[in-house]
Amino acid sequence: DQQVKQNSPSLSVQEGRISILNCDYTNSMFDYFLWYKKYPAEGPTFLISISSIKDKNEDGRFTVFLNKSAKHLSLHIVPSQPGDSAVYFCAASRTLQGAQKLVFGQGTRLTINP
Amino acid sequence: NAGVMQNPRHLVRRRGQEARLRCSPMKGHSHVYWYRQLPEEGLKFMVYLQKENIIDESGMPKERFSAEFPKEGPSILRIQQVVRGDSAAYFCASSPTGTDEAFLHFGNGTRLTVT
Repeated sequence: DQQVKQNSPSLSVQEGRISILNCDYTNSMFDYFLWYKKYPAEGPTFLISISSIKDKNEDGRFTVFLNKSAKHLSLHIVPSQPGDSAVYFCAASRTLQGAQKLVFGQGTRLTINP
Repeated sequence: NAGVMQNPRHLVRRRGQEARLRCSPMKGHSHVYWYRQLPEEGLKFMVYLQKENIIDESGMPKERFSAEFPKEGPSILRIQQVVRGDSAAYFCASSPTGTDEAFLHFGNGTRLTVT
């Protein structure tokens, strides 16, 4: 039962353009969503999060959009840079349960081409 | 830079042996979480511990797996009688509290290979 899905295993984007990574979830009890970035042989690093009371959160080049009715969120990176090449994981939780119950998607491998 | 420290980074075990994975949380963090990443999959929650207490082990396999976080020393994830299906990357994370999702800091993982 995959409650958080990232349907694109990989994405290739030209440097300077916008990267859009998508994530869908099925559990309507999720109320907190996060994006993590992971380089090979390293642990995931927190990137940006959004609470279900918002529909957008922005931090520099990174913006996360949440569409609760569609149970869909997306991460926009603009402009994309070569250092953004990594695997991106979407994660969701129920605030009451806290961080220990993060449910992760399968990840999307983003490659930024010079 | 005292981040979450995991060791060993790589561990090779034969079927039937025991694997011990260690995790030292970030300084000042008293909550530890273990996640497992199987090949081509996302991370899956295993267990959540505070000092000397298991808070939530709903993601742990019922047999052969155990975890502890003693008063002194690192958290230990122990896998007895390993099988090939246990081969995975095991990530430890820590946070200063149990409810602030944004501060879940991950270590670099232990890659377990069972031969």
